[in-house]
Amino acid sequence: SHELTQPPSVSVSPGQTASITCSGDKLGDKSACWYQQKPGQSPVLVIYQDNKRPSGIPERFSGSNSGNTATLTISGTQAMDEADYYCQAWDSTTYYVFGTGTKVTVL
Amino acid sequence: EVQLLESGGGLVQPGGSLRLSCAASGFTFSSYAMSWVRQAPGKGPEWVSAVLRSGGGNTYYADSVKGRFTISRDNSKNTLYLQMNSLRAEDTAVYYCAKDQCGGGTCYFDYWGHGTLVTVSS
Repeated sequence: SHELTQPPSVSVSPGQTASITCSGDKLGDKSACWYQQKPGQSPVLVIYQDNKRPSGIPERFSGSNSGNTATLTISGTQAMDEADYYCQAWDSTTYYVFGTGTKVTVL
Repeated sequence: EVQLLESGGGLVQPGGSLRLSCAASGFTFSSYAMSWVRQAPGKGPEWVSAVLRSGGGNTYYADSVKGRFTISRDNSKNTLYLQMNSLRAEDTAVYYCAKDQCGGGTCYFDYWGHGTLVTVSS
């Protein structure tokens, strides 16, 4: 399967940890990345190659990938982290595949 | 600073055509593959097409647009294009130009443009 499944929504209290999963067949055999998208804005890369952060992305964003699941973790979640998050994987057959997306709400 | 500036979107009737452009700056355009990614209203992103650094026949398409869309690039003008023919209502979306970054056996988009809206409707 080329589908990447995410929970539609995740709620988190300020200062707590939010975990967003991305499930796909043998996803751990590939690399996953994550994008943050705020309303009316373009997506922004927050994690690449499973667990690397681009310059300018806060340390509270981290990632992991094993088995069939990649996970984006936001530690010490802040109100500014409220957004939609999409995972994405790549392979030479299907090229780019995006996850179904998760809306993170900071209550 | 990397900048990707799309243009060419608008309202078009079903069956019509449209050509999108993306002007790139702030990096060596000819050294990177480039993609178009679209996002329908209320939906997640969908990769549409990619072109390798050299352009030419090194192009790739999602099944949903194969045979209708053509991606190209002009490295002398630092510009990416998407020719869209036989447009359908389901092609309605914001179209983003994105810079591909490949390494470690994977690829992802490290920069995105602001997007241009394409609406297919009669």
